[in-house]
Amino acid sequence: EDKVVQSPLSLVVHEGDTVTLNCSYEVTNFRSLLWYKQEKKAPTFLFMLTSSGIEKKSGRLSSILDKKELSSILNITATQTGDSAIYLCAVMIQGAQKLVFGQGTRLTINP
Amino acid sequence: NAGVMQNPRHLVRRRGQEARLRCSPMKGHSHVYWYRQLPEEGLKFMVYLQKENIIDESGMPKERFSAEFPKEGPSILRIQQVVRGDSAAYFCASSSFGGELFFGEGSRLTVL
Repeated sequence: EDKVVQSPLSLVVHEGDTVTLNCSYEVTNFRSLLWYKQEKKAPTFLFMLTSSGIEKKSGRLSSILDKKELSSILNITATQTGDSAIYLCAVMIQGAQKLVFGQGTRLTINP
Repeated sequence: NAGVMQNPRHLVRRRGQEARLRCSPMKGHSHVYWYRQLPEEGLKFMVYLQKENIIDESGMPKERFSAEFPKEGPSILRIQQVVRGDSAAYFCASSSFGGELFFGEGSRLTVL
């Protein structure tokens, strides 16, 4: 069965800290890995990663994929209270056109 | 360019009633997906549809749940004879082929 596991499940840090969120996967036929941020409503798209070792950046957020280790990390530097959310990792299965999600990491940034 | 539109945003039903959730994909998207999210859990795939076709329904419960995406109009997720365990947030997403999925804001179903 295809599986995506995120860690930690929950993380509380102070504003200004740097955080690293982890995602590992076991899937039959990997196509791409996606990160989403979910506040109270819809998950919003952050990154899609298909190639190993190439970092994607957007402001204070960055992510990289390691296909050898079947994992990805999401880094957030200089965290702000607005970064508080659930961060979801998902893997797109080749040929199936569906996402398998991890359980999410609930990140709380305290002022 | 409107995003993925879902309605109703909140729906309350009594056990045994029917729930119908609607989803209009983003303009230009022909692929629709339904996901369910239980409290404190990630999103679970339910079904993937293109216009007039169900492509993958491997995540749909075998009974009481059905989905359609007609030629005209929104995609519909239908739950018959709802039970308390059906209470969840139901998210719709759409994409172009091979593109990233964009999610709607979800429909929160509460079964009393």
